[in-house]
Amino acid sequence: QLQLQESGPGLVKPSETLSLTCTVSGGSISSSSYYWGWIRQPPGKGLEWIGSIYYSGSTYYNPSLKSRVTISVDTSKNQFSLKLSSVTAADTAVYYCARHGGLRGVDYWGQGTLVTVSS
Amino acid sequence: DIVMTQSPDSLAVSLGERATINCKSSQSVLYSSNNKNYLAWYQQKPGQPPKLLIYWASTRESGVPDRFSGSGSGTDFTLTISSLQAEDVAVYYCQQYYSTPLFTFGPGTKVDIK
Repeated sequence: QLQLQESGPGLVKPSETLSLTCTVSGGSISSSSYYWGWIRQPPGKGLEWIGSIYYSGSTYYNPSLKSRVTISVDTSKNQFSLKLSSVTAADTAVYYCARHGGLRGVDYWGQGTLVTVSS
Repeated sequence: DIVMTQSPDSLAVSLGERATINCKSSQSVLYSSNNKNYLAWYQQKPGQPPKLLIYWASTRESGVPDRFSGSGSGTDFTLTISSLQAEDVAVYYCQQYYSTPLFTFGPGTKVDIK
């Protein structure tokens, strides 16, 4: 059974860079036909796609966040990572890592990790 | 960008009654080459990640009870819970993945017991 697990600091200071890693187990991140993405959810609000990466390293970002987002992949560790720069309080959210493709949408999700931006 | 809207924002339904949620996309998510709508529905309970219920607008994910059904095509879609159970209290989101790897979610509809 595929599992995804987010890890990283739960508290980030304003103007700094948020960094999270997603570790994939029970399957290979190098599987074709799937993308590996980040989705966030501010407290009490809806879901926002941040960006995704293919195992080859091709990246795709939400235009509204593109200038601040970097997603990378480490196939040797079966991990992919998110960096979001110049964070503000508006970036406080639960961050989910997930697998998605063109057939079924987002079929596997991590449990999510709350990241709070505060001094 | 494809913008997704949902209605209503929330609804309260008696146990055993039908719940209906609507979703609309700003452009068609029907892929003409395979005649499939790239529209999914998710259920999210408090403190949990969303769970995939339906994809291709009307195909239930494995293990999803058959009281959940999806319908619609093009730009207008519906999620129906035929007989609401207590465990169905949740927020429901539609999502277009026509523009995969880019995708967008609707704002969500909260379902409660009346």
